[in-house]
Amino acid sequence: DTGVSQNPRHKITKRGQNVTFRCDPISEHNRLYWYRQTLGQGPEFLTYFQNEAQLEKSRLLSDRFSAERPKGSFSTLEIQRTEQGDSAMYLCASSSPGALYWVQYFGPGTRLTVT
Amino acid sequence: AQRVTQPEKLLSVFKGAPVELKCNYSYSGSPELFWYVQYSRQRLQLLLRHISRESIKGFTADLNKGETSFHLKKPFAQEEDSAMYYCALSGQGAQKLVFGQGTRLTINP
Repeated sequence: DTGVSQNPRHKITKRGQNVTFRCDPISEHNRLYWYRQTLGQGPEFLTYFQNEAQLEKSRLLSDRFSAERPKGSFSTLEIQRTEQGDSAMYLCASSSPGALYWVQYFGPGTRLTVT
Repeated sequence: AQRVTQPEKLLSVFKGAPVELKCNYSYSGSPELFWYVQYSRQRLQLLLRHISRESIKGFTADLNKGETSFHLKKPFAQEEDSAMYYCALSGQGAQKLVFGQGTRLTINP
């Protein structure tokens, strides 16, 4: 499968714990995006990278959230001191200026449940 | 402010009937508009984008700048069209996507 992959697919954690999610984009896609989706809502933008540079962060991304893309390939999203309000589906997408110019391709998501 | 509004959370039509999913947007500038679809147990995927001006799976969408709308239409619904549909916009150069709340479309046999 050459699509965007995300791990883990599901994560259950207790309030106050730290969690880290991984996203592997489509090979050679230089842009990588993180979104969060809560029940009944559309995805909301969190942040995006071009290669290893983080170019934009949403105000939704509190100080407890940090994202990295150290080598311009995979990315990690860490949430520190999780809260129940962090329970959501975390989606990753990637894109490139290719045949479908900058169209974003999504991964299957990581569902986080904070108890 | 950038905003996408999908007024219908649920839409149910019979097989063979026409379908229209509404999408209105607010954006200062020239946005790019998209429809994404999520079938049961599948990931979010692009259905169509306004600059392509193409029909995918029988669906079309026309950008109306005067009414700031990008409604999705299909003349004859099929059962396999049952899914969650999201309208989204981005600025030029496809940076972040701003999504609507989504419309769950159910096609009844």
